[in-house]
Amino acid sequence: SQKIEQNSEALNIQEGKTATLTCNYTNYSPAYLQWYRQDPGRGPVFLLLIRENEKEKRKERLKVTFDTTLKQSLFHITASQPADSATYLCALGSYAGNNRKLIWGLGTSLAVNP
Amino acid sequence: GAGVSQSPSNKVTEKGKDVELRCDPISGHTALYWYRQSLGQGLEFLIYFQGNSAPDKSGLPSDRFSAERTGGSVSTLTIQRTQQEDSAVYLCASSSHAPLNYGYTFGSGTRLTVV
Repeated sequence: SQKIEQNSEALNIQEGKTATLTCNYTNYSPAYLQWYRQDPGRGPVFLLLIRENEKEKRKERLKVTFDTTLKQSLFHITASQPADSATYLCALGSYAGNNRKLIWGLGTSLAVNP
Repeated sequence: GAGVSQSPSNKVTEKGKDVELRCDPISGHTALYWYRQSLGQGLEFLIYFQGNSAPDKSGLPSDRFSAERTGGSVSTLTIQRTQQEDSAVYLCASSSHAPLNYGYTFGSGTRLTVV
């Protein structure tokens, strides 16, 4: 069955460092991958989308890579700030058939210490 | 409105009672989704509405769950004869017809606790 794995352990880093979060998947060929941020008691907030034919996408301090051979996406936050502390979710989707149901990872908790 | 609005934000109900959860999507968004998020589990798709098309109900876990969307806007998720395993956060999201560039916009969810 389709499976998505994100770093299960919380990530603790020092302010100013680069945070790197991993999203691995199996038994799936996604056409695109999305990253969301979720704060406690809130719904996920969309951050970035990357398509299968794109190697890298950037937005301000965020960078996402997508390696369809390794079946992996890396999500980087450079010059991290305490305000970046949250849970980050990856979600995969396909254009084929029913493209309405994203498949979600469990998320990785990030804590940026001042 | 400016965002997706869900109500109530919290609901505690007794096992066996029916509950109704409401979602008010972003004006103009044609697509509306219900997801469920439980501790230790990823977001679980429940149901999808797109315009006037028949809804995709393939994610509803049992016939105790139903949803409707009136006038292409507000949606209500109804859970009949609630069970303890229904306890979760129920999230609603909406998107424009082309969500791939902009993702989904989620509400803050309704935390349902069945006691």
